[in-house]
Amino acid sequence: QSALTQPRSVSGSPGQSVTISCTGTSSDVGGYNYVSWYQQLPGKAPKLIIYDVNKRPSGVPDRFAGSKSGNTASLTISGLQAEDEADFYCCSQAVDHVVFGGGTKVTVL
Amino acid sequence: QLQLQESGPGLVKPSETLSLTCTVSGGSIRSSSSFWGWIRQPPGKGLEWIGSINYSGNTYYSPSLNSRVTISVDTSTNHFSLRLSSVTAADTAVYYCASDGGGGASHYWGQGTLVTVSS
Repeated sequence: QSALTQPRSVSGSPGQSVTISCTGTSSDVGGYNYVSWYQQLPGKAPKLIIYDVNKRPSGVPDRFAGSKSGNTASLTISGLQAEDEADFYCCSQAVDHVVFGGGTKVTVL
Repeated sequence: QLQLQESGPGLVKPSETLSLTCTVSGGSIRSSSSFWGWIRQPPGKGLEWIGSINYSGNTYYSPSLNSRVTISVDTSTNHFSLRLSSVTAADTAVYYCASDGGGGASHYWGQGTLVTVSS
């Protein structure tokens, strides 16, 4: 199966907003309201920050917001902070399996 | 709060079978999550979903690994396992186990274990 398509990198200054896109097909992102997003710090396990397109687990700041339109899901980080510098991965339910995006490195300038 | 811990050999020879176990604590494997999954990450690369299982033993596998993967669950000991056959150097990765609430939403993860395929 093909990985979902994410930009390799995005960057922003502290306080700004950045958006990461995650493009799939009607067989994954477009076909299910089961898109999740993970933040991964170097050397650490991924951390779930968004699930079911736009739900946040307890303890995740509301600066992180998820959305979806058609075959593309998006993660927006508002009020960017230095601690947000990390790799971010999208993930979607597909037919009988799950697929990840290739990952996006967020750099805080 | 659920805790997951991977265990198994850190070195596997090419063509052999990689075997890992994930021990779940802080909750029952029967009721604490819809699915239990395995995800891997080659050094310096992105995440790859391997497969998942529910407590009843229903399994779902990545299409690209389907012919080589077996995931099983043991509710009596609260753990689930991964077997990946005919490994090559391309299977070298950090392997994570995770609880999957459905649709790939893994709320809890193990710390990960590096498995190197080399002779």
